[in-house]
Amino acid sequence: SQQGEEDPQALSIQEGENATMNCSYKTSINNLQWYRQNSGRGLVHLILIRSNEREKHSGRLRVTLDTSKKSSSLLITASRAADTASYFCATDAGNQGGKLIFGQGTELSVKP
Amino acid sequence: NAGVTQTPKFQVLKTGQSMTLQCAQDMNHEYMSWYRQDPGMGLRLIHYSVGAGITDQGEVPNGYNVSRSTTEDFPLRLLSAAPSQTSVYFCASSYSPPKGTEAFFGQGTRLTVV
Repeated sequence: SQQGEEDPQALSIQEGENATMNCSYKTSINNLQWYRQNSGRGLVHLILIRSNEREKHSGRLRVTLDTSKKSSSLLITASRAADTASYFCATDAGNQGGKLIFGQGTELSVKP
Repeated sequence: NAGVTQTPKFQVLKTGQSMTLQCAQDMNHEYMSWYRQDPGMGLRLIHYSVGAGITDQGEVPNGYNVSRSTTEDFPLRLLSAAPSQTSVYFCASSYSPPKGTEAFFGQGTRLTVV
């Protein structure tokens, strides 16, 4: 079964609003990563947070990790129409050869 | 710099036919993986490799074979295609730790089995 579960499955917001997506996982991890997938394309890496980190920023992205609750959140601030995509969390247990386990994804729609 | 290249982009197979999905990377990554993506199910790991000559099964390996004779190439073989294998297939590669485990993905192969 898949490691991560994401919430919500779909999110629709207006341009300029913030978007928050949540990810829960089941087992111990070495790091957790977030990816974006535009329709019909491959996945693109956004940000990686290690198990000993609690928060990380990259541009308009903010990721938090709570290992005690086995959960992570991705915040996109001041969203743009170009942020419309599916977002996936992926966990890496760290000892399985780059084996990433993905969540089911959140479909984000940003309306202009 | 091409990154991860998958061929073909689209393929239609008849039930029982076999085929090979090609994946090549030019980043000298040790790790390579194959995933399938089905609606509402995210990505599921089929097979992965930590280096040339070494492969292992992922979450959904049945019906698929892989080999890794070189660092660059990681082909996925469908032995006898079934309609349940209709999916979008993604190949990914990454460095081994401690360089990092950020994965680079190909553009995908959309496979339909009729």
